[in-house]
Amino acid sequence: EADIYQTPRYLVIGTGKKITLECSQTMGHDKMYWYQQDPGMELHLIHYSYGVNSTEKGDLSSESTVSRIRTEHFPLTLESARPSHTSQYLCASSEWGAASLRYGYTFGSGTRLTVV
Amino acid sequence: SQKIEQNSEALNIQEGKTATLTCNYTNYSPAYLQWYRQDPGRGPVFLLLIRENEKEKRKERLKVTFDTTLKQSLFHITASQPADSATYLCALRGNDMRFGAGTRLTVKP
Repeated sequence: EADIYQTPRYLVIGTGKKITLECSQTMGHDKMYWYQQDPGMELHLIHYSYGVNSTEKGDLSSESTVSRIRTEHFPLTLESARPSHTSQYLCASSEWGAASLRYGYTFGSGTRLTVV
Repeated sequence: SQKIEQNSEALNIQEGKTATLTCNYTNYSPAYLQWYRQDPGRGPVFLLLIRENEKEKRKERLKVTFDTTLKQSLFHITASQPADSATYLCALRGNDMRFGAGTRLTVKP
């Protein structure tokens, strides 16, 4: 079944640690996104990609980096976690053009990150 | 700056009634607007899209209107059920897709 997977679902980690949040999709979508979501707040775009070897920063890059070596895989890395990084991280993918309008974005279930 | 406002943080209604959620925006000229449903601990799920030249769109018990003069979209769920309880987000495309904070709907039996 075509879907988008995020691991881990929950992560508690100490300040200063390096972490990678995984995101994989089986739909063959070229466009992928990382959003940060806090309770009662808008989703904020962190990074996005148009396809393999394409990465762009959103309006909230939050000292994180991404890579897109394969179409299906779009991991997010925090080099040095801080308590301010505590949040829900959502990965999404979409098709190009008219198809993205018809079907919208497909989101993963998210990673709930707590930095202590 | 671009802003999306959804009417309230929470809306409580009785089963069988119509729920109406509001999405207002400023400093956008969106070609289309999307609505998503988000359940606790899950990512948003796409429900439907309405284009700027469409006044109204329906899908089963859902109805969306889009008034580009008022810069507002209304999202209606008719004959609401407890299973409709969730947070509903509107989204607009500016330079990228921006999502509102959502309205949490609770339908009581």
